[in-house]
Amino acid sequence: NAGVTQTPKFQVLKTGQSMTLQCAQDMNHNSMYWYRQDPGMGLRLIYYSASEGTTDKGEVPNGYNVSRLNKREFSLRLESAAPSQTSVYFCASRSTSGGNNEQFFGPGTRLTVL
Amino acid sequence: AQRVTQPEKLLSVFKGAPVELKCNYSYSGSPELFWYVQYSRQRLQLLLRHISRESIKGFTADLNKGETSFHLKKPFAQEEDSAMYYCATMDSNYQLIWGAGTKLIIKP
Repeated sequence: NAGVTQTPKFQVLKTGQSMTLQCAQDMNHNSMYWYRQDPGMGLRLIYYSASEGTTDKGEVPNGYNVSRLNKREFSLRLESAAPSQTSVYFCASRSTSGGNNEQFFGPGTRLTVL
Repeated sequence: AQRVTQPEKLLSVFKGAPVELKCNYSYSGSPELFWYVQYSRQRLQLLLRHISRESIKGFTADLNKGETSFHLKKPFAQEEDSAMYYCATMDSNYQLIWGAGTKLIIKP
């Protein structure tokens, strides 16, 4: 049981390049999330998916797109990277069993845009 | 809009001293509150939630609706408690609203 996995762990991009961050969970959770973590700002929600086939914008969606490929996988795409997107990106999934609502996090992707 | 405030960016205490990490929230209903912790080079993980009223690793947090607070406390800090701590509340759409985090440093 790997929990939530993310690839890659590190990435350096040049301004204007594109990339996709991959996320998968093996806990059979319906809800999945993408956050960015910046110093002094906590975690900010980029996009989320309440269930397979649905996605919704979070607090900071501009410059990003997402795909909920199936129940396990939720990818985040940067079409044209900008230096302001330099951040650590976390994927999470949420348990709903027994009213738990705990979010389980991946190890993060540290992205630098030059 | 709901908001979570952690007033201290950095808190430094000596080993064995009491620790209190502050968290205040704004929410008109009955909030669901969490503390998450991120140890160095590890992923974020749930520390405790107010619903379960549990004590994890010696930490407790009590919901004070009058003061709209959910402070995290531990009577005797240990060096392994050094980490980043985040307070969060869940909104009506099951999204977490996060505080900015407090970096806790336990000095030997």
